[in-house]
Amino acid sequence: SQQGEEDPQALSIQEGENATMNCSYKTSINNLQWYRQNSGRGLVHLILIRSNEREKHSGRLRVTLDTSKKSSSLLITASRAADTASYFCATDAAGAGSYQLTFGKGTKLSVIP
Amino acid sequence: DGGITQSPKYLFRKEGQNVTLSCEQNLNHDAMYWYRQDPGQGLRLIYYSQIVNDFQKGDIAEGYSVSREKKESFPLTVTSAQKNPTAFYLCASSIREGWSNQPQHFGDGTRLSIL
Repeated sequence: SQQGEEDPQALSIQEGENATMNCSYKTSINNLQWYRQNSGRGLVHLILIRSNEREKHSGRLRVTLDTSKKSSSLLITASRAADTASYFCATDAAGAGSYQLTFGKGTKLSVIP
Repeated sequence: DGGITQSPKYLFRKEGQNVTLSCEQNLNHDAMYWYRQDPGQGLRLIYYSQIVNDFQKGDIAEGYSVSREKKESFPLTVTSAQKNPTAFYLCASSIREGWSNQPQHFGDGTRLSIL
């Protein structure tokens, strides 16, 4: 099955800096979603971007999608210590209708106060 | 508050034993999912259900079984046939709308270990 791959695997930044994470996938998609997971907890949905959208914003989050390159990026601006978590992208295969999401292995973000 | 409740938070299994993980949601979602997460890894789909009394195998269904007798409940049984069950198990739910996937809401997981 197709899989999103996040890059980098780990990222450490100072509070107040911006954090950028990338996701690449293999086949055509209906949409791409980003999730956050705090240590030992479930995932929390952050943002969904459809295949016909190129950019989407939500608060300090900015997501871009380039379907020609099969890639997406998540930008967190003005990071806070509370943003420390793992971030996952998830994709669904276009036209599949199977309601399955395929998750990548995640980027572990550490924001140092 | 609406949400997904998984229980127990921690579970220990003896050799040859079946164990059942509970997942209950009060979000009125049609679709429910079970994932397995190993350390440093992403989520792998075990089973999913789009509607009551119907479910499909995911990528790693061997050694697991599920039922969907009620909309609110989607229990997962880890059978003795699953030889490496130690993992973090996550349950999720979502609405069904059109052909594309909608955001999934997750419980806080059950951590299963072998005694």
